[in-house]
Amino acid sequence: RKEVEQDPGPFNVPEGATVAFNCTYSNSASQSFFWYRQDCRKEPKLLMSVYSSGNEDGRFTAQLNRASQYISLLIRDSKLSDSATYLCVVTPGGFKTIFGAGTRLFVKA
Amino acid sequence: DVKVTQSSRYLVKRTGEKVFLECVQDMDHENMFWYRQDPGLGLRLIYFSYDVKMKEKGDIPEGYSVSREKKERFSLILESASTNQTSMYLCASSLTGRNQPQHFGDGTRLSIL
Repeated sequence: RKEVEQDPGPFNVPEGATVAFNCTYSNSASQSFFWYRQDCRKEPKLLMSVYSSGNEDGRFTAQLNRASQYISLLIRDSKLSDSATYLCVVTPGGFKTIFGAGTRLFVKA
Repeated sequence: DVKVTQSSRYLVKRTGEKVFLECVQDMDHENMFWYRQDPGLGLRLIYFSYDVKMKEKGDIPEGYSVSREKKERFSLILESASTNQTSMYLCASSLTGRNQPQHFGDGTRLSIL
């Protein structure tokens, strides 16, 4: 089993749609969680951290479920500019950081 | 804003050459990382450093070495480049502690001919 697993997609959604991604992790002692976005042939960029109580940043909502060991990202009112690959990132502890393989999102006009 | 700068966006080298990739960060971060990213394989950690002159192997260190003589600079060295080292190389830095994300440079697309 991979340490961090994501549905690779692609997710094809129309503009204005709501889309949700899940990511599962295997190490129950994991401490820190993030979502990154990566555009084609560019570097990953931090989208948001994920906190135990859940957090929201504009159209984006991230949640953590420690009992079931998954994190989620919800995007409301999708824009064309949201088209990218979304990487789930988990830090089990210490310096180790595990990147998921990413979920591709295409938002269509 | 954190700035992580990689020395080259694109680089073409020949098999057997010694290749240096440089990375500089301007935010006084303790930790620095080198990854490679290949289609279908995601990001894989090559080496990281948590302090000056300190280094730790990542998941795929074979064929690579690193140097961290100054806090802001972390160099990746391909001792004798081979075609299977053609890849996108990404440098990142972070502070130490919980909930400290990594910040990435633009990446170097390296081709070994």
